[in-house]
Amino acid sequence: DQQVKQNSPSLSVQEGRISILNCDYTNSMFDYFLWYKKYPAEGPTFLISISSIKDKNEDGRFTVFLNKSAKHLSLHIVPSQPGDSAVYFCAASGGGATNKLIFGTGTLLAVQP
Amino acid sequence: DGGITQSPKYLFRKEGQNVTLSCEQNLNHDAMYWYRQDPGQGLRLIYYSQIVNDFQKGDIAEGYSVSREKKESFPLTVTSAQKNPTAFYLCASRPYSYTGELFFGEGSRLTVL
Repeated sequence: DQQVKQNSPSLSVQEGRISILNCDYTNSMFDYFLWYKKYPAEGPTFLISISSIKDKNEDGRFTVFLNKSAKHLSLHIVPSQPGDSAVYFCAASGGGATNKLIFGTGTLLAVQP
Repeated sequence: DGGITQSPKYLFRKEGQNVTLSCEQNLNHDAMYWYRQDPGQGLRLIYYSQIVNDFQKGDIAEGYSVSREKKESFPLTVTSAQKNPTAFYLCASRPYSYTGELFFGEGSRLTVL
């Protein structure tokens, strides 16, 4: 049972344009969401997060939007740069004593020069 | 400088052999985690530990074992009982809190010959 889903395995965008990566979740108890970026053969690095009490969080070129009623979040990258090419994972946690992070399957973003 | 160190980065094993992956952190984090990454399946939780001398099974613990004798160290043993051990293994940590991101190591690639 995949609680966090990234339905697009890959996305290709032109340099300078907007990249939009999507993520859906099924568990209404999730209250904290994160995006990670990962290059091949390296560990993921944290990008940006959002709490369920907000619907938007912005950090430089990265903005995360949360739609709780639709159980959907998205990551916007503007403008996209070739160095943004990587796999992006969304993750969610539902609080509680363990607060485990549940990861999606990832979306491979390719930014074309 | 602080961080998470995983070793070895690449490891080859014959079928039927146990192998231990090392994970050391000097971030003074209480909680540590082991994830496995397979193509198209994202990151799946193997084991986690929130405090020394205590650990819990994650979603795919069968065929794996861990120990947490020191706060800094959380080694993972891949036993011969693990049916598909070839994968990229990631260790992570975070301060013992109910929110916040995980900090990941660089990963270890295990290949069973």
